[in-house]
Amino acid sequence: AQSVTQLGSHVSVSEGALVLLRCNYSSSVPPYLFWYVQYPNQGLQLLLKYTTGATLVKGINGFEAEFKKSETSFHLTKPSAHMSDAAEYFCAVADAGGSYIPTFGRGTSLIVHP
Amino acid sequence: KAGVTQTPRYLIKTRGQQVTLSCSPISGHRSVSWYQQTPGQGLQFLFEYFSETQRNKGNFPGRFSGRQFSNSRSEMNVSTLELGDSALYLCASSFGTSPLHFGNGTRLTVT
Repeated sequence: AQSVTQLGSHVSVSEGALVLLRCNYSSSVPPYLFWYVQYPNQGLQLLLKYTTGATLVKGINGFEAEFKKSETSFHLTKPSAHMSDAAEYFCAVADAGGSYIPTFGRGTSLIVHP
Repeated sequence: KAGVTQTPRYLIKTRGQQVTLSCSPISGHRSVSWYQQTPGQGLQFLFEYFSETQRNKGNFPGRFSGRQFSNSRSEMNVSTLELGDSALYLCASSFGTSPLHFGNGTRLTVT
């Protein structure tokens, strides 16, 4: 079985500050890892994914995440927050070679202050 | 390419009634998954359909059911609605091992 833990249900940053959203996972097999973003009254949009290869993954809107197997982590970062980044962020894990059905974390609400 | 389309966007039903939600996947995507999203439980997997067959199932009671048609469109049905079924129901489609592409959801309110 796989699971995802997102540390912090809410993260507050100032515009222009570093964004760091934490995600730890557990999986008995090599994982596929994802970050999704959800804006109010919308579905989830893929930010980035890790499947194999390079452990530093770049996504849309300036976000990136690093897969650290030894720490079972996949934290999401962005060097400089923008007001438009305010949204709900979800980390997800799927078993590579398995059903590919992702299990989602509980989400982290990113608040950006002017 | 058109995205995942879910209809209707909003629904209000009374306890005991049943409801059917519809999902049209991205063209060429044969896998359709359904998730329930609530503030208390987050995103929970309901089921996945592929080529008209249920391929994976989450841990929901039998009141929740679904089906997929030959054109990959999918419907989910909830019978004997309970207050706790109030949620955002999200449909997602995928091709092979590609990531899920989500629709904007159907907001169901049960009164």
